[in-house]
Amino acid sequence: GENVEQHPSTLSVQEGDSAVIKCTYSDSASNYFPWYKQELGKRPQLIIDIRSNVGEKKDQRIAVTLNKTAKHFSLHITETQPEDSAVYFCAASRGRQLTFGSGTQLTVLP
Amino acid sequence: DAGVIQSPRHEVTEMGQEVTLRCKPISGHDYLFWYRQTMMRGLELLIYFNNNVPIDDSGMPEDRFSAKMPNASFSTLKIQPSEPRDSAVYFCASTPGDHQYFGPGTRLLVL
Repeated sequence: GENVEQHPSTLSVQEGDSAVIKCTYSDSASNYFPWYKQELGKRPQLIIDIRSNVGEKKDQRIAVTLNKTAKHFSLHITETQPEDSAVYFCAASRGRQLTFGSGTQLTVLP
Repeated sequence: DAGVIQSPRHEVTEMGQEVTLRCKPISGHDYLFWYRQTMMRGLELLIYFNNNVPIDDSGMPEDRFSAKMPNASFSTLKIQPSEPRDSAVYFCASTPGDHQYFGPGTRLLVL
């Protein structure tokens, strides 16, 4: 089955700096790669996703890049703000079944 | 739409008791997923349904766990008998396509 590895497990940045979280996947047939944000005690919520026919996607301060050859994808957050502090999960799927990475605790220091 | 609804939000029970978690997916979503989240194991898929039919239950940890979806608007996850290691947050999610919408979760504590 699919295996998704995510790193780093924790990341601290100064407010206004950029943050990058990286994931690798094992199944070359995976074609959908979402990123979820989970605040403490809350549900995971989708923040951005990318499909395998696209190399990059941006939404305001958030961007995701995908390298199908290397089987890795990354989340980039620019101009970080304290409200960006949360756990971020990457995931990969073909079909409907998502396999999640282990999560990254992002802390934005004021 | 109110989103995915789960009940109860919190459950505290004693080892050996039966626990039933409930989920109402978003109307029109034909896929429903049950996940378990713990610090040690992260987000694990337990089982998912398509049009009320279980498609993959390979993530269900043991025979003590069972899930049903009697109709398009209701699903249950049952643990019988419960054990302390079942303590976790259980999420239900639904989707009509790729984007999975999560419910608020049920925080289960088995003493």
